[in-house]
Amino acid sequence: NAGVTQTPKFRVLKTGQSMTLLCAQDMNHEYMYWYRQDPGMGLRLIHYSVGEGTTAKGEVPDGYNVSRLKKQNFLLGLESAAPSQTSVYFCASKDEMIETYHQETQYFGPGTRLLVL
Amino acid sequence: GESVGLHLPTLSVQEGDNSIINCAYSNSASDYFIWYKQESGKGPQFIIDIRSNMDKRQGQRVTVLLNKTVKHLSLQIAATQPGDSAVYFCAENIKSGYSTLTFGKGTMLLVSP
Repeated sequence: NAGVTQTPKFRVLKTGQSMTLLCAQDMNHEYMYWYRQDPGMGLRLIHYSVGEGTTAKGEVPDGYNVSRLKKQNFLLGLESAAPSQTSVYFCASKDEMIETYHQETQYFGPGTRLLVL
Repeated sequence: GESVGLHLPTLSVQEGDNSIINCAYSNSASDYFIWYKQESGKGPQFIIDIRSNMDKRQGQRVTVLLNKTVKHLSLQIAATQPGDSAVYFCAENIKSGYSTLTFGKGTMLLVSP
């Protein structure tokens, strides 16, 4: 299993450009998450999904949109990139809430580094 | 709002020493806690977790202690190795219908040979 994969690994955008980050997982997980990580800060939740066709806002959703058309994929879109969106973006997935000890553990991808000029 | 925080932003130890990384949480409704390790340029990697009905859990060279009285969580790494050098995050889950984690800012562990 590849686990959680993210594409692209690195991208440079100009202010106002749009792009989509792709997250894919092959563990048949129900839950998927998008985080951003800025220097000296922990991970902040942007959006998440509890199943195919569902999405919900996290802590910092403004300027981002998401879609979960297929269970294995979770897309993060930036419609009009701003320098404040320069960050490292991580995707994570988790199994549904079943009565096992590790039910809350999220598994992370390698990250996408985004630079907005 | 309530949040997870760390006492020490950087911890420097010698190889072979035991390391202790601390984390304070303030949400009394949190019922599950996780420690993640993040190496440079990589995504966070699960280390160990603990539920609020426990006060200690051991893994391979790692132990997590939970003190609910003072809302404190710690990660102990025995016989620290250079490969343990990384940023360590604690995260908490407030039991709800949809599971999300709240992360602390992280502590960098530097292990000198």
